[in-house]
Amino acid sequence: NAGVTQTPKFQVLKTGQSMTLQCAQDMNHEYMSWYRQDPGMGLRLIHYSVGAGITDQGEVPNGYNVSRSTTEDFPLRLLSAAPSQTSVYFCASSGTSGRVLNTGELFFGEGSRLTVL
Amino acid sequence: LAKTTQPISMDSYEGQEVNITCSHNNIATNDYITWYQQFPSQGPRFIIQGYKTKVTNEVASLFIPADRKSSTLSLPRVSLSDTAVYYCLVGDPPGRRALTFGSGTRLQVQP
Repeated sequence: NAGVTQTPKFQVLKTGQSMTLQCAQDMNHEYMSWYRQDPGMGLRLIHYSVGAGITDQGEVPNGYNVSRSTTEDFPLRLLSAAPSQTSVYFCASSGTSGRVLNTGELFFGEGSRLTVL
Repeated sequence: LAKTTQPISMDSYEGQEVNITCSHNNIATNDYITWYQQFPSQGPRFIIQGYKTKVTNEVASLFIPADRKSSTLSLPRVSLSDTAVYYCLVGDPPGRRALTFGSGTRLQVQP
């Protein structure tokens, strides 16, 4: 299993551009989420999904859209990039598939480092 | 959601035991306490989870008093590789809704 895969790992955008960060998991997890982490700070929840077709907002949803058309994929779209969105973005998933005990353990991707000029 | 409070940073030396305490005064009946570890340039990874009393695994121990308003992560005999940020989360695992991370505790282990 590859786990949680994020692409791209690095991206530089100009202000006003749009782009999509991709996240895919192969663990058949129901729950997926996006976090952003600014330098020296903790993780802040952007959006999350508890299953295909269901999404909800986290702490800092403004400027981002998500969709969950399949169980495996949870892309994060930046509508009009701003310098304040310069950050490292982490995708995480969690699920009960194949588990006896549901600890809600989050599995994280390696992160996508975004710079907006 | 239960808010958590942790020390911002801690320093230790190799071979010492490190205890990091997390305060969560408004923890709900269904909430579990989960700790994550994050190394630079990596996503957090699960360390340990508990509901009450004491839980131990190959990496750490988690102590939870009877009132569950706080918890303590114990790392025995730390090494340089334990230098990381440690996050305490409180929530209901089956729901997994809106799991929020605080700022965490930055542990620096010195030789």
